[in-house]
Amino acid sequence: DAKTTQPPSMDCAEGRAANLPCNHSTISGNEYVYWYRQIHSQGPQYIIHGLKNNETNEMASLIITEDRKSSTLILPHATLRDTAVYYCIVGAGKSTFGDGTTLTVKP
Amino acid sequence: GAVVSQHPSWVICKSGTSVKIECRSLDFQATTMFWYRQFPKQSLMLMATSNEGSKATYEQGVEKDKFLINHASLTLSTLTVTSAHPEDSSFYICSANRDSSSYNEQFFGPGTRLTVL
Repeated sequence: DAKTTQPPSMDCAEGRAANLPCNHSTISGNEYVYWYRQIHSQGPQYIIHGLKNNETNEMASLIITEDRKSSTLILPHATLRDTAVYYCIVGAGKSTFGDGTTLTVKP
Repeated sequence: GAVVSQHPSWVICKSGTSVKIECRSLDFQATTMFWYRQFPKQSLMLMATSNEGSKATYEQGVEKDKFLINHASLTLSTLTVTSAHPEDSSFYICSANRDSSSYNEQFFGPGTRLTVL
């Protein structure tokens, strides 16, 4: 499974869009990009996934670059409850978690 | 969305005892489940891959005789921590891959907090 690189932490103002980047330069052609988040002392929660095209669901949008070497998770209107550790994962099998990005949404 | 449960949600045990943690996929079948361990302020670390009807595959550095995994059905995998010691205290999380999915659709359980005294 390809490795991912994410910034360790980010802040975002409540109501603003949160843009979380992820680099996955060693991704292979059939590997999906998945995003999960983990709120303290809970299991990871699925957010969104994509292969090539940009994706949107009720929680977030996922923008994948044309070369697929990086992606951005967008939370369009961040709330205080979105404060969590966000993990970007690449793979077609078992998930290898990096350190993720700790997003802090501030009032 | 699909639900994965874990039982118990937390457990406290004495050093030297064994603890069993259950992971169930409640509304889907999962031939493959995964077990992770997470220490405070750290990321999830994959311990093993559990496959229904066959032996689990352990990651490097994980003792298979200490962390026994049994995947007896398409909806249940168990992790038994044998002769637990304080250093085994951690947050244990399972995940399950939905068999009917065309991609790696993985759902995580809520985790089990193990404290060994």
